[in-house]
Formats: sequence, structure tokens, C-alpha cells
Amino acid sequence: NAGVTQTPKFQVLKTGQSMTLQCAQDMNHNSMYWYRQDPGMGLRLIYYSASEGTTDKGEVPNGYNVSRLNKREFSLRLESAAPSQTSVYFCASSQLAGSRNEQFFGPGTRLTVL
Amino acid sequence: GIQVEQSPPDLILQEGANSTLRCNFSDSVNNLQWFHQNPWGQLINLFYIPSGTKQNGRLSATTVATERYSLLYISSSQTTDSGVYFCAVGTSGGGTSYGKLTFGQGTILTVHP
Repeated sequence: NAGVTQTPKFQVLKTGQSMTLQCAQDMNHNSMYWYRQDPGMGLRLIYYSASEGTTDKGEVPNGYNVSRLNKREFSLRLESAAPSQTSVYFCASSQLAGSRNEQFFGPGTRLTVL
Repeated sequence: GIQVEQSPPDLILQEGANSTLRCNFSDSVNNLQWFHQNPWGQLINLFYIPSGTKQNGRLSATTVATERYSLLYISSSQTTDSGVYFCAVGTSGGGTSYGKLTFGQGTILTVHP
């Protein structure tokens, strides 16, 4: 039981390049999330998927797109990377049931945009 | 949106000391989690505690939802407790708040041997 996995662990891009961050969970959770963490700050929600087939914007969605490929996988795409997107990206999942929403996080992807 | 404030921002301890970390939030919540971010950046779930008291070894947490605060207690601290402790709160309501966790800025804990 690996929990939440993310690939890659590290990535360096040049301004304008594109890339996709991959996330998968094996806990049969219905909800998945993408957050970013910037130095000295907590995490901020980029996009989330409450259930398979649905996605919604979070707090900081500009410059990103997402795909909920199936129940297990949720990818984050940067179409044209900018230095402001240098950050650590975390994927999370939860079994959203009634009021309970305990989220579990992956190990993160450290992205640098030059 | 919900505001989350954690205190203190920094805490330096000698091994074996006890500490209390506080999380205040500005609105009613029905989700509250405490996380430890270790020096390798990994976020580790400590407690899911929207109300009440829980204990896990040397760590315990209490949330008083009616007064909008939560406390994390660390007893007999060890060097491996070093890292950043985050409180995150949320609701399961509809619309744009659905499933969202709002994180505090964190408390940086350093435990010296």
C-alpha cells in the first residue's frame, strides 16, 4: 500500500516549457487535490477533483490545468511554465464522506522554472 | 475565507522539554488536521481532530471547536520532532469551499540534543 505517489520528484524547466506532474493513489479515495507550497508558507490549493469526472478551481488555478484520468490518477499540467511557478507541488487524496475529509499527501515534486 | 493563525512561529527546545503549539481559526470548521513536515519535506498526518482530544504516544491534540482553536502538545521532545508543524482547517460544504483545506503558516520547531 503505497498511499499517494507523485512523479517526478524533481524537475527543472525553462520559461515557456510545458510539463505534466503525475499523481496516483491506491486508497480507493474519491477526492484528489493539487497544492503548491512556497517558501515560508503553508500550502495553497490549485485544483481539486471531488469525484471521478469532476474538477474545480482552488485558490491559485491560473497557469495550470488538471485531468482526473480515472479514480486513481490526477495530473497537473503547466502549459507554459513561468518562474512564478517555481514551487513544491503536493498531491493529496481523501475519502470525502459526509463531513469527514481527512487528506493524505504525497511526497511532493520540487519544480524550478528558470 | 477562513483565516488560520499558528503560534508561535518559531520554537527552539532542548531534548526532553515539553511544548504547546496553538492554532486559531476564524470561522466554524468541521475538518481540522495537524501535520508534521519533516526536514525532507514530507507531510505526515499527526491528527484528524475537528473536535475533542486525541493522543498518540508523546503527542496529543485538543480542539475546542466552539472557541475556534486547537492545541498540539509535544512531550519529552526528541531531535526527530524537528520540522514544521501545520494546522489545516476546512469544511465539507458545497461550492468553492468543497473539500478545501486552508493551512496556517506553520510553527518551525527545532529540538537540540
